[in-house]
Amino acid sequence: SQQGEEDPQALSIQEGENATMNCSYKTSINNLQWYRQNSGRGLVHLILIRSNEREKHSGRLRVTLDTSKKSSSLLITASRAADTASYFCATPISGGSNYKLTFGKGTLLTVNP
Amino acid sequence: NAGVMQNPRHLVRRRGQEARLRCSPMKGHSHVYWYRQLPEEGLKFMVYLQKENIIDESGMPKERFSAEFPKEGPSILRIQQVVRGDSAAYFCASSWGNLAEPEVVEQYFGPGTRLTVT
Repeated sequence: SQQGEEDPQALSIQEGENATMNCSYKTSINNLQWYRQNSGRGLVHLILIRSNEREKHSGRLRVTLDTSKKSSSLLITASRAADTASYFCATPISGGSNYKLTFGKGTLLTVNP
Repeated sequence: NAGVMQNPRHLVRRRGQEARLRCSPMKGHSHVYWYRQLPEEGLKFMVYLQKENIIDESGMPKERFSAEFPKEGPSILRIQQVVRGDSAAYFCASSWGNLAEPEVVEQYFGPGTRLTVT
């Protein structure tokens, strides 16, 4: 089954710096979603990018999608301590089961004040 | 606009007991999904339900696990005769049916129920 794999597994930066996380997947998709999970909490939906989109912005977030490389990146600009969390990419399983999201193990982002 | 609600947030059960996890979807959402997150792992799909219907339970263990989403009330994930390996965080998500773009489904997650089996 296809699965998004985030890279790096952990990232530590200073407040104000930019953070970039990557996601690779295995099979064709029609959309890819990014989620954030604070420690011990539920997932918060950040952004959805469709397969016919190359880039999407939402506030300080910028997501890119390269379907030829089967990869996506999430850029958080001007990071804040409150951005400290795990970030997951999620892709639907192909073959009609678009509701069946598969998640990677996530990137743990630590933003130091 | 309340988000997805799950209760309890934490549940401790002894081996052999039953665990019942509840999920109330966001207002206006008629689709519910359950996922399980084991320690140090990503979420794994378990089951997808619409009101009174199980659409896809391919991710759910064949034994001891069941799910329902009645016409009235929350969705319930039930685990009978729990074992230590059932200890995990169980997340519920909900969405509306996207008739315009059925291939694009944004799911909104609840805070999860952390089940500990002792």
